[in-house]
Amino acid sequence: KAGVTQTPRYLIKTRGQQVTLSCSPISGHRSVSWYQQTPGQGLQFLFEYFSETQRNKGNFPGRFSGRQFSNSRSEMNVSTLELGDSALYLCASSLAPLAGGTDTQYFGPGTRLTVL
Amino acid sequence: GIQVEQSPPDLILQEGANSTLRCNFSDSVNNLQWFHQNPWGQLINLFYIPSGTKQNGRLSATTVATERYSLLYISSSQTTDSGVYFCAVRGGTSYGKLTFGQGTILTVHP
Repeated sequence: KAGVTQTPRYLIKTRGQQVTLSCSPISGHRSVSWYQQTPGQGLQFLFEYFSETQRNKGNFPGRFSGRQFSNSRSEMNVSTLELGDSALYLCASSLAPLAGGTDTQYFGPGTRLTVL
Repeated sequence: GIQVEQSPPDLILQEGANSTLRCNFSDSVNNLQWFHQNPWGQLINLFYIPSGTKQNGRLSATTVATERYSLLYISSSQTTDSGVYFCAVRGGTSYGKLTFGQGTILTVHP
């Protein structure tokens, strides 16, 4: 079974631009979560989507948004980029079983965003 | 929210040595995972272990949920074990949200 895939792997943008990152979960996984990793703040949760609905959101400004499609693929968008948005963005997928069971999150390789 | 502390922050070993990494968390959890982050940034799943003990080759982990800590044991370290080890937890009904510790940077010298 293929793992979580993320595109693009690397991205360079300038301040004020916007960016869209894509994540394809493991086949059959319904939940997709996004994280930001920076040297100063570590790994921080951005948001989680399940069945095209955002169920949970971290403490990030409204410039960070996301969505999930009917095939469970997800995109996140960052508008009006700032220098501090330079980070590794990681996507994770899980089965999200409704009646208990393990809910292991599996991570993709990440998208490394550099804002100049 | 839930707090996660990992220790030690840095660990330097010679190849062949054993080590123990610790993860303390501040509240009850229903998901606890250990990851190894490789030099390219990928988080590799090591264990899903909200309670109990598991072993996988040279690695094993134990979580004592009632005392709110987890331990990751690495035996007979190899240079390829180098990298950052993260503990992450989820509590309550916090859908999809794993809270990560700051990690332990492990360096194994030949």
